[in-house]
Amino acid sequence: GNSVTQMEGPVTLSEEAFLTINCTYTATGYPSLFWYVQYPGEGLQLLLKATKADDKGSNKGFEATYRKETTSFHLEKGSVQVSDSAVYFCARTIQGAQKLVFGQGTRLTINP
Amino acid sequence: EADIYQTPRYLVIGTGKKITLECSQTMGHDKMYWYQQDPGMELHLIHYSYGVNSTEKGDLSSESTVSRIRTEHFPLTLESARPSHTSQYLCASSDRAYTEAFFGQGTRLTVV
Repeated sequence: GNSVTQMEGPVTLSEEAFLTINCTYTATGYPSLFWYVQYPGEGLQLLLKATKADDKGSNKGFEATYRKETTSFHLEKGSVQVSDSAVYFCARTIQGAQKLVFGQGTRLTINP
Repeated sequence: EADIYQTPRYLVIGTGKKITLECSQTMGHDKMYWYQQDPGMELHLIHYSYGVNSTEKGDLSSESTVSRIRTEHFPLTLESARPSHTSQYLCASSDRAYTEAFFGQGTRLTVV
């Protein structure tokens, strides 16, 4: 079916550490892929997106590359900050349905 | 910056009361969605609409109902609130198929 699987959290890192949050999707159709971020008490904000294979989305120092061969869209950041503490969701479009499917979310905590 | 608004942000209400959660967007988007977010963070699609007078039930069964009389407005109603309805409710909209959705800030509902 159409699904997205994220690495389980919570993830705890020190400031300036390198971040990777894994996301894989089922190879159904040609989805667009997204990363959303949710800060405490807020709704989801679009962080970055990629619409086709080999596209790289980037924003605020975060990057993710659409890898068709591994059906992955891993989120990376070279040097995290305390302000990056949030919940991160990977999402995909569904062929034939005008809605998004979300992963289960990964809670990230950055310690000073 | 997405222009989608939810009111109230927080609501504490007694069992058996009727409530309406408001969602409005000023972007002219045809597609609107309601998600329920449980404490474990996972998002569940409970209702969606592809345009005026169009409403569909989502992937998670919900006792709530929705209406779409105007493009910009997509309210969610609970006829008789119960403690099991305690959750965060997120509204979203998008302008095209197979593209990103924009989220409101959410309504945190507590039924006592």
